[in-house]
Amino acid sequence: AQKITQTQPGMFVQEKEAVTLDCTYDTSDQSYGLFWYKQPSSGEMIFLIYQGSYDEQNATEGRYSLNFQKARKSANLVISASQLGDSAMYFCAMREASNTNAGKSTFGDGTTLTVKP
Amino acid sequence: NAGVTQTPKFQVLKTGQSMTLQCAQDMNHNSMYWYRQDPGMGLRLIYYSASEGTTDKGEVPNGYNVSRLNKREFSLRLESAAPSQTSVYFCASSEELYSGNTIYFGEGSWLTVV
Repeated sequence: AQKITQTQPGMFVQEKEAVTLDCTYDTSDQSYGLFWYKQPSSGEMIFLIYQGSYDEQNATEGRYSLNFQKARKSANLVISASQLGDSAMYFCAMREASNTNAGKSTFGDGTTLTVKP
Repeated sequence: NAGVTQTPKFQVLKTGQSMTLQCAQDMNHNSMYWYRQDPGMGLRLIYYSASEGTTDKGEVPNGYNVSRLNKREFSLRLESAAPSQTSVYFCASSEELYSGNTIYFGEGSWLTVV
């Protein structure tokens, strides 16, 4: 069964500093995708970044990067130069490619990030 | 850009009442999904539709039914609402079920069952 673990219920970071949000996953599939979403207090789910299991390089999108360590099954999100608008809940998610799990994405319980001025 | 649009945004139901959450996407996506999010938790998949004409159960399908009306629209019905179904419901879509396809979400529907 696929599973996502986010061990940090809450994190604080000073404005302009970098922060790492942890995510570990469990899957028996060789092909899968890892995603990070941001959920601000308004409630919408905003896609941030994607990493494929066969991608050799870590994904980057602006101030977001994904530290992908396949052997350790971790996919940590790094936010550089934090801004006050980064304060939100962050979810790690996984989608597997196998037929039995196609369409079934798994989400972690989320990490609440608070950026301090 | 509308993306994924779901209605209503807020709804209060009495136990035993029925209702349908509507969802439409304008991205020409084949696959659509319904999730629920309980307080302080991640999203759990209720039902999904790989393509027009097909629907499948997700992780928590009990108490719900779905209809893929056409390629654009995917509705979620609660036949007899229960307090345990108080949650935020998200409709979502992706190009295909492929694991590399990003899932795009609607803005959520806040449902309270009293």
